[in-house]
Amino acid sequence: AQKVTQAQTEISVVEKEDVTLDCVYETRDTTYYLFWYKQPPSGELVFLIRRNSFDEQNEISGRYSWNFQKSTSSFNFTITASQVVDSAVYFCALVDSSYKLIFGSGTRLLVRP
Amino acid sequence: DTGVSQNPRHKITKRGQNVTFRCDPISEHNRLYWYRQTLGQGPEFLTYFQNEAQLEKSRLLSDRFSAERPKGSFSTLEIQRTEQGDSAMYLCASSSGDSATNEKLFFGSGTQLSVL
Repeated sequence: AQKVTQAQTEISVVEKEDVTLDCVYETRDTTYYLFWYKQPPSGELVFLIRRNSFDEQNEISGRYSWNFQKSTSSFNFTITASQVVDSAVYFCALVDSSYKLIFGSGTRLLVRP
Repeated sequence: DTGVSQNPRHKITKRGQNVTFRCDPISEHNRLYWYRQTLGQGPEFLTYFQNEAQLEKSRLLSDRFSAERPKGSFSTLEIQRTEQGDSAMYLCASSSGDSATNEKLFFGSGTQLSVL
């Protein structure tokens, strides 16, 4: 069965701190895709990144970076020099042969000025 | 491209009433999904369409729920005889459907349903 676990329910940091959001996934498939979405207070889920199971290269996009490790079934997300506008709920998600996007329960990030 | 549009944004209804939500996907997208999100949880899959065909329904979708996508354009989700447990945010998403396993879904802002 597919499962995505985000053990951190809520994280609070002070602006300019670095923060890492953890994501652990379960799937029996060898081909799958992992995603991160951001849900600001407005409610709309915003796509951040998609990574396929055969590409373990870490990715950096501005202040965002992602660390994909198949050995530990983890796909962690780091925000460097956090800003107040980063405050949101962040969801990790998985798609495998079930063709459905399965979400974790989310991590609420609060960045305080 | 105006994104995925959902109406209404908020719906308050009394238990036992029927409600209908509408989703207008991004125009060239052939796949349309419905998800439900309750407070403090991630979105849960309900059903999805490939054009006008409804290809899969979750066990979460009881007989009181029905979704349609006539002509493969907009979609409606109807809940009959609403119950308090139906209170949630109902999210619609669409994608171009190039490949089922690597889809980048574009989500609407959702319809928040409150059943009193």
